[in-house]
Amino acid sequence: GALVYQYPRRTICKSGTSMRMECQAVGFQATSVAWYRQSPQKTFELIALSTVNSAIKYEQNFTQEKFPISHPNLSFSSMTVLNAYLEDRGLYLCGARDWTNYAEQFFGPGTRLTVL
Amino acid sequence: GDSVIQMQGQVTLSENDFLFINCTYSTTGYPTLFWYVQYSGEGPQLLLQVTTANNKGSSRGFEATYDKGTTSFHLQKTSVQEIDSAVYYCAMRQAGTGGYKVVFGSGTRLLVSP
Repeated sequence: GALVYQYPRRTICKSGTSMRMECQAVGFQATSVAWYRQSPQKTFELIALSTVNSAIKYEQNFTQEKFPISHPNLSFSSMTVLNAYLEDRGLYLCGARDWTNYAEQFFGPGTRLTVL
Repeated sequence: GDSVIQMQGQVTLSENDFLFINCTYSTTGYPTLFWYVQYSGEGPQLLLQVTTANNKGSSRGFEATYDKGTTSFHLQKTSVQEIDSAVYYCAMRQAGTGGYKVVFGSGTRLLVSP
């Protein structure tokens, strides 16, 4: 079956430092990967959408300078939270999909980021 | 702009009660609609989805009908159980060029007491 793994599941970083998180798709080709953030008491916000062989598209209020994303192949993506501050805390979700066969999006369990 | 509205922040029921969670959406065109369930400490899991207007989706006793006329996608279950306690998110897929964007509602927390 199709599964999405995320590493680490939980992490803590000091304010002003950076944190890298990973997303691994198993059982299907992740031609498209979406990164979301769920801040405390809020819903999921799309950060950016990455499609293999296309430019990464960032949503309003999110930038490549703050959330650089790598999507080097059809099974892996990573995102870094640079210079993290308190407002960056929350659950970061990876949603992966194989758009070439119109499959739906599978979500990983998320990486929970705490900023001290 | 595109949005998904869930008016109920929390619903509290007893086992075997009827569940109704409200969801309305706003967009142009014909979106695919979803219900996701999120258990404590986990990411959202797909509960059900409907692609075609006026169709109904169902899973694990939950049902939702894609009503294009009222732009609604309410979630229902005849008899809830304690294990159904979780946060339920109504969502809508927007298909962009080469991409895929899901817009989530604010979520409704369901608490079911035994």
